[in-house]
Amino acid sequence: AQSVTQLDSHVSVSEGTPVLLRCNYSSSYSPSLFWYVQHPNKGLQLLLKYTSAATLVKGINGFEAEFKKSETSFHLTKPSAHMSDAAEYFCVVSNLLGSARQLTFGSGTQLTVLP
Amino acid sequence: NAGVTQTPKFQVLKTGQSMTLQCAQDMNHEYMSWYRQDPGMGLRLIHYSVGAGITDQGEVPNGYNVSRSTTEDFPLRLLSAAPSQTSVYFCASTGGLPYNEQFFGPGTRLTVL
Repeated sequence: AQSVTQLDSHVSVSEGTPVLLRCNYSSSYSPSLFWYVQHPNKGLQLLLKYTSAATLVKGINGFEAEFKKSETSFHLTKPSAHMSDAAEYFCVVSNLLGSARQLTFGSGTQLTVLP
Repeated sequence: NAGVTQTPKFQVLKTGQSMTLQCAQDMNHEYMSWYRQDPGMGLRLIHYSVGAGITDQGEVPNGYNVSRSTTEDFPLRLLSAAPSQTSVYFCASTGGLPYNEQFFGPGTRLTVL
């Protein structure tokens, strides 16, 4: 079984300040981990993915995430928030079970960026 | 290369009506899936398919049917719509090993009155 917990349902930051969106996971296997972003009334866009290579993963738009196995965490960060970062962010864990790919979504974190 | 397409984008149904949400992908992916998105609940898996002719239930399958006659198409059928099925529906297509990256369609916003 696997699960994903996004520790904050809402995060609010000022423009130009750092962003931290927290994600913890549980998985019986070595998972792949993803962060997706969803802007209002839009579909989901992949930000970055961890696939058991480097533990620090760089994504699009200046985002990065660090995989910490000992803490079962995959937190998303960005050094300086931009107004266009305001969106909902989803942490996703994926495992391959036989021929099926089981993906589990977190409940999402709504990021607000204040001017 | 259109990726994953979904139709319609918006739909309003009355309770008891049936309809089919269409999904197609042109990436030759074997694995496709349907999710519904409700506020505060993230995305929940309805049904998935690991290839043509093979489907299985996800977390919330009740009230929905799927079929997979071709690799490209994966329609979702609502048999008798209920207000509880008001949601945004996303179809996804998953790339090959090892990354399991999912490509999402733009979504269908469904309201059941």
